[in-house]
Amino acid sequence: DVKVTQSSRYLVKRTGEKVFLECVQDMDHENMFWYRQDPGLGLRLIYFSYDVKMKEKGDIPEGYSVSREKKERFSLILESASTNQTSMYLCATGEGSYEQYFGPGTRLTVT
Amino acid sequence: GQNIDQPTEMTATEGAIVQINCTYQTSGFNGLFWYQQHAGEAPTFLSYNVLDGLEEKGRFSSFLSRSKGYSYLLLKELQMKDSASYLCAVKHNTGGFKTIFGAGTRLFVKA
Repeated sequence: DVKVTQSSRYLVKRTGEKVFLECVQDMDHENMFWYRQDPGLGLRLIYFSYDVKMKEKGDIPEGYSVSREKKERFSLILESASTNQTSMYLCATGEGSYEQYFGPGTRLTVT
Repeated sequence: GQNIDQPTEMTATEGAIVQINCTYQTSGFNGLFWYQQHAGEAPTFLSYNVLDGLEEKGRFSSFLSRSKGYSYLLLKELQMKDSASYLCAVKHNTGGFKTIFGAGTRLFVKA
């Protein structure tokens, strides 16, 4: 079974703080993705990576950055958290054109 | 542009059949996924259609018409545990196989 883990299930941060969300997968997948999910908007792609040290912007990259130093680990960074970044963050992995496997999600609240 | 439309909510009765429709407009189409997401949980893969036609997998079937930009998910013999959100997602044939998700359809199964 593919296992995708995220560093926290729930996180509360203050406006302006730097926030790190980590995702680790154990299936040696090339592709990793970060999404945020908001009611009525569905899953929106923030960034994705198809190789170590490679990254591509998704649909809503503003206010975020990512890091992929090792194949199994993909980090999402909020440089200066804002209240409009309160959301559920989901990491996913996949191989080629096949399905994605999602982590359990991190519910981030920025106050 | 890219656009995926699916109904926001549907209600059906236990034991019945329900069809959840999805229409999409996108360039670089590679295939279409359906995912199931229970409240508070991560999405899980249900089906993947690349070619036109119906794919059956147990109680669930998925249909695709590429020329019409249309898909549906058919759930038979509904069970209470099928109450969940169903996400339609289009896979692109670009680097990294970016996936665009619809907002999801919340299905309520009543006794």
